[in-house]
Amino acid sequence: GENVEQHPSTLSVQEGDSAVIKCTYSDSASNYFPWYKQELGKGPQLIIDIRSNVGEKKDQRIAVTLNKTAKHFSLHITETQPEDSAVYFCAGSRGGTSYGKLTFGQGTILTVHP
Amino acid sequence: DTEVTQTPKHLVMGMTNKKSLKCEQHMGHRAMYWYKQKAKKPPELMFVYSYEKLSINESVPSRFSPECPNSSLLNLHLHALQPEDSALYLCASSTLTTNEKLFFGSGTQLSVL
Repeated sequence: GENVEQHPSTLSVQEGDSAVIKCTYSDSASNYFPWYKQELGKGPQLIIDIRSNVGEKKDQRIAVTLNKTAKHFSLHITETQPEDSAVYFCAGSRGGTSYGKLTFGQGTILTVHP
Repeated sequence: DTEVTQTPKHLVMGMTNKKSLKCEQHMGHRAMYWYKQKAKKPPELMFVYSYEKLSINESVPSRFSPECPNSSLLNLHLHALQPEDSALYLCASSTLTTNEKLFFGSGTQLSVL
């Protein structure tokens, strides 16, 4: 089955710096890669996603890049703010009939210091 | 309305109790899910409903019993749970055409004593 590895497990940055979280996946058939942000006491919230026919996607301060050949994808957050502090999960899926079968990475605890 | 609402937010129950978790969404999604999340771990899929029918059970013990009364509601009935079942229980929904794109509720934090 699919295996998704996520690094680093913790990341500490100063406000205004950039943050990068990286994930690698094992299943060549995976074609959908979402990123979720989970704040304390809340459920995961989808912040950005990318499909395998796209190499990069950007939404304001966040961007995701995908390298299908190397089977890795990354989340980039620029101009970090304290409210970006949360746990971030990457995931992979075959899409289509996968029916919620997301394989999640182990998560990255991001702390942004004011 | 783009929310998935779960009640209660917190639940403490004994091992002999019977309780239910509830989930509601009004986005018109026809796929609904139960996930379990232990502390500091990613969510794990438990059940999937599509068109109000159970389509996937990820080998979950029978002390967890899901129910989908209609297209907006999803319940999880709990009976004779063990302390190791203590976790955050998350409900999610999606459309059927983009069923990998999940919208999660805030979860029910369950403690089994």
